Amino acid sequence: GAVVSQHPSRVICKSGTSVKIECRSLDFQATTMFWYRQFPKQSLMLMATSNEGSKATYEQGVEKDKFLINHASLTLSTLTVTSAHPEDSSFYICSAGSLAGGPGRQTQYFGPGTRLLVL
Amino acid sequence: GNSVTQMEGPVTLSEEAFLTINCTYTATGYPSLFWYVQYPGEGLQLLLKATKADDKGSNKGFEATYRKETTSFHLEKGSVQVSDSAVYFCALRSAGGTSYGKLTFGQGTILTVHP
Repeated sequence: GAVVSQHPSRVICKSGTSVKIECRSLDFQATTMFWYRQFPKQSLMLMATSNEGSKATYEQGVEKDKFLINHASLTLSTLTVTSAHPEDSSFYICSAGSLAGGPGRQTQYFGPGTRLLVL
Repeated sequence: GNSVTQMEGPVTLSEEAFLTINCTYTATGYPSLFWYVQYPGEGLQLLLKATKADDKGSNKGFEATYRKETTSFHLEKGSVQVSDSAVYFCALRSAGGTSYGKLTFGQGTILTVHP
């Protein structure tokens, strides 16, 4: 089956530093990757949609300059939380969409998530 | 805009009990509907899906029927097991418009099954 990995699985950093999270589709090519944020006991909130080779599309209310997304290849997307602050602490989950079916019919496969704690 | 509402949890059941987790949605057009499951410390896994009205998705003993007239997609299982303990998310994928292809999730329902 389709497997999506995330690295790191858990990261603790000091306030003001930047953190990079990687999302990889291991056995399929993903033209589209999605980044979500999940607060404790809450649902997933879509942050942005990234397409390989183009700029990410951010959801309303998500700061583009704070959450930098790069989708340089069909198997890798990165999310960089710049100048992280304690309120950025959260569970970040990526998903990768398979090529088949087009954007309205593709299946999203989810990574295991990255827990970020900013001190 | 699109929205998904799930019954509030947590839901606590004994093994072999019947499970229902309610899910209703608001969307324009004809969305696809999904149930995802998240086990502790893991990402989301697709449990089942339905892409048009009256479709029934099923997997691992779980079922859900796409009811357009009631805009619902309730999850059911006849006999739950301890291993079913997880968080369950109902989601929809818009068929068109500005939200084309995006998933909208409900708030999640925590299920705990006791032996």
